Amino acid sequence: GENVEQHPSTLSVQEGDSAVIKCTYSDSASNYFPWYKQELGKRPQLIIDIRSNVGEKKDQRIAVTLNKTAKHFSLHITETQPEDSAVYFCAATNRTNAGKSTFGDGTTLTVKP
Amino acid sequence: DAGITQSPRHKVTETGTPVTLRCHQTENHRYMYWYRQDPGHGLRLIHYSYGVKDTDKGEVSDGYSVSRSKTEDFLLTLESATSSQTSVYFCAISGVGGANNEQFFGPGTRLTVL
Repeated sequence: GENVEQHPSTLSVQEGDSAVIKCTYSDSASNYFPWYKQELGKRPQLIIDIRSNVGEKKDQRIAVTLNKTAKHFSLHITETQPEDSAVYFCAATNRTNAGKSTFGDGTTLTVKP
Repeated sequence: DAGITQSPRHKVTETGTPVTLRCHQTENHRYMYWYRQDPGHGLRLIHYSYGVKDTDKGEVSDGYSVSRSKTEDFLLTLESATSSQTSVYFCAISGVGGANNEQFFGPGTRLTVL
């Protein structure tokens, strides 16, 4: 089955700095890669996603890059703000297999004011 | 938030008792999923459904069963709860295959097995 590894497990940055979270996956059949943000006590919510036929996608301060050959993808957050503090999860999904997703173990991001 | 609810939101039970968690959606999505979330393990898939009465196992299915008799409801049953099943359980729905692929999560159920 699919295996997703996510690094780092914790990340602390100063407000205004950039944050990068990296994930690797093992199954070449995975073709959709979402990123979720989970605030304490809340449900995970999608913040950005990328399909396997795209190398990069950006939405304001958030961007995701995908390298299919190397089987890794990354989340980039620029100009971080205290409200970005949360747990972030990457996932690798096979859209042709019931949309089953395998999640990374999460990264706890702390943005210090 | 997408129209997805879970009940109960909190439950404390004793080892050996059966427990059923309910997930209800109003989005008419085909796919539904049950995950458990434990510290350091992210979200792990327990079971999923790809249609009414169509279900399959995920990576951590031992000790759990599911049923889906209607599009809108997906039930997760712990036949005989154990302390290792203490966790936060999330249901998710998806319309994967169409324009949207993301999974929408319910608010979660915190289950404690004493």
